[in-house]
Amino acid sequence: NAGVTQTPKFRVLKTGQSMTLLCAQDMNHEYMYWYRQDPGMGLRLIHYSVGEGTTAKGEVPDGYNVSRLKKQNFLLGLESAAPSQTSVYFCASAMGYTEAFFGQGTRLTVV
Amino acid sequence: GQNIDQPTEMTATEGAIVQINCTYQTSGFNGLFWYQQHAGEAPTFLSYNVLDGLEEKGRFSSFLSRSKGYSYLLLKELQMKDSASYLCAVRGDNYGQNFVFGPGTRLSVLP
Repeated sequence: NAGVTQTPKFRVLKTGQSMTLLCAQDMNHEYMYWYRQDPGMGLRLIHYSVGEGTTAKGEVPDGYNVSRLKKQNFLLGLESAAPSQTSVYFCASAMGYTEAFFGQGTRLTVV
Repeated sequence: GQNIDQPTEMTATEGAIVQINCTYQTSGFNGLFWYQQHAGEAPTFLSYNVLDGLEEKGRFSSFLSRSKGYSYLLLKELQMKDSASYLCAVRGDNYGQNFVFGPGTRLSVLP
């Protein structure tokens, strides 16, 4: 049972480069979330989705875009990376009124 | 606004009992969740409270008082492997029933 899988696990980008983080879940969950985790600040919501074909902005969406073309996949894009986007990114999925399951995380460094 | 508070760091001795407190103010309430996160790893689910009272799961228990906006996680018979960060999260009504996370409590278990 794979659960939630994120790729890649590590990435170094130069300022201005773009990349896409992939999240895949095999639990048929409706809700999917992208968070970033920075020291002392906890997990902050970037974007979320409540079902296939739907996405919406979270607390800190600037500089990111998302897509959910298939129910099991939730993609996070950085169009023009900035050093402030250096962080650890976590994807999570959940059904309604239950716990969230997290992917392994992506450690991104923007230089 | 939404706010979750918990102590930044705690230290306890192997074999002892430790209580980690969490206070919250959130928009809507669909449950209080506790997660464990070891350094460099993803958060993993520990416990869930939606009604007032105590939930027990082996060495871990979690308590909730919705009227006071308060929860605690109780860890008994501490083991070295319990050294980790413990995240308090509330699932609210905003942002697709988003999980709002506190900053986490870093617990160090000493021999």
